[in-house]
Amino acid sequence: DSGVTQTPKHLITATGQRVTLRCSPRSGDLSVYWYQQSLDQGLQFLIQYYNGEERAKGNILERFSAQQFPDLHSELNLSSLELGDSALYFCATGGTDTQYFGPGTRLTVL
Amino acid sequence: EDQVTQSPEALRLQEGESSSLNCSYTVSGLRGLFWYRQDPGKGPEFLFTLYSAGEEKEKERLKATLTKKESFLHITAPKPEDSATYLCAVQGHSNSGYALNFGKGTSLLVTP
Repeated sequence: DSGVTQTPKHLITATGQRVTLRCSPRSGDLSVYWYQQSLDQGLQFLIQYYNGEERAKGNILERFSAQQFPDLHSELNLSSLELGDSALYFCATGGTDTQYFGPGTRLTVL
Repeated sequence: EDQVTQSPEALRLQEGESSSLNCSYTVSGLRGLFWYRQDPGKGPEFLFTLYSAGEEKEKERLKATLTKKESFLHITAPKPEDSATYLCAVQGHSNSGYALNFGKGTSLLVTP
């Protein structure tokens, strides 16, 4: 158990809809990273927050956004969903030397 | 742009048959090279971070090594429970925020 929690575990929705994924970091971790894992692209970095502020952006679509709240949990918002957004979404927390991954949210867009 | 290539894509070993997984990388200033293990449908599990050429780290039957261009994950006398996908990632100095750039992984199957 990494100490990172993610909810929900599974999400099934329709094209065009909007969903919110939640991540609670390990105690004491200020950074939250979001990654997307699909069969063809592998594990890809989306965005990072550090202590409530956006720190870095990767291959994140404009339809996606994230935020980190004062209690350090983070939410990833995905809107106008397309079939190709179906994937596993992971958050990871930790310092500069180690990132601990949560169990992931499996998103299925029908 | 940072690139990470892992080989082979898949590897099948008999229990006890040692082997190595390769991770070749190009990065503008390596800050760290990471190895993770991932079981199907689960989150990646941290194994090692290596920082400089010549560094080695060990954990049970696994040993990771690093050169200036590649890293190897050596698996000695593997057991069926070592079956998983092994992911390699680099963290470069050019990456603001210390994001990881992952390879596509090596899927390892160890048969009894």
